[in-house]
Amino acid sequence: EPEVTQTPSHQVTQMGQEVILRCVPISNHLYFYWYRQILGQKVEFLVSFYNNEISEKSEIFDDQFSVERPDGSNFTLKIRSTKLEDSAMYFCASSDRTGPYEQYFGPGTRLTVT
Amino acid sequence: SQQGEEDPQALSIQEGENATMNCSYKTSINNLQWYRQNSGRGLVHLILIRSNEREKHSGRLRVTLDTSKKSSSLLITASRAADTASYFCATINQGAQKLVFGQGTRLTINP
Repeated sequence: EPEVTQTPSHQVTQMGQEVILRCVPISNHLYFYWYRQILGQKVEFLVSFYNNEISEKSEIFDDQFSVERPDGSNFTLKIRSTKLEDSAMYFCASSDRTGPYEQYFGPGTRLTVT
Repeated sequence: SQQGEEDPQALSIQEGENATMNCSYKTSINNLQWYRQNSGRGLVHLILIRSNEREKHSGRLRVTLDTSKKSSSLLITASRAADTASYFCATINQGAQKLVFGQGTRLTINP
């Protein structure tokens, strides 16, 4: 069964460093998302992406964050200058349709900022 | 902002028993979805119920939706040890794409 994959599974970085989290969505999906879950808290929406454009973003997704689909398979989340409060589990998701449909999640990347 | 809240926050039952988790939300929705998360893992989609549906079944799962009370319940029948996980409800507003998650219920099935 097709699945969303994410790399790395765990990333440790120092405050102020740039990190890139990578995702490979399900191959025939066209709609992509990033969510994050700070330890012990709710899963929070960050951004949605379609047709090489951001279609929706949350207040969390400020200028420090960016997303990109550099080729036909990868979808990346970049944090330019990490802060301690960016430590969280980051989940990528994809969907074959936009709007109120099922989203398929990857296993997540645990980001630890020290 | 819309929030889904699950109840209870934690539930521990014996294998074979039924588990019921509840979710409440605050705004008008297009649909409500339930996800499972095993410890330290990703979210697995379980079931989606649309705002014009009242009940839906999938295997051992039964979901109800009461839009007048803005609440939903997830029933897992004949629970198994492998059902041990956190369960989240998530809603999507009309015209929106993003999922809004609740805090989750931590379910433990004791053998």
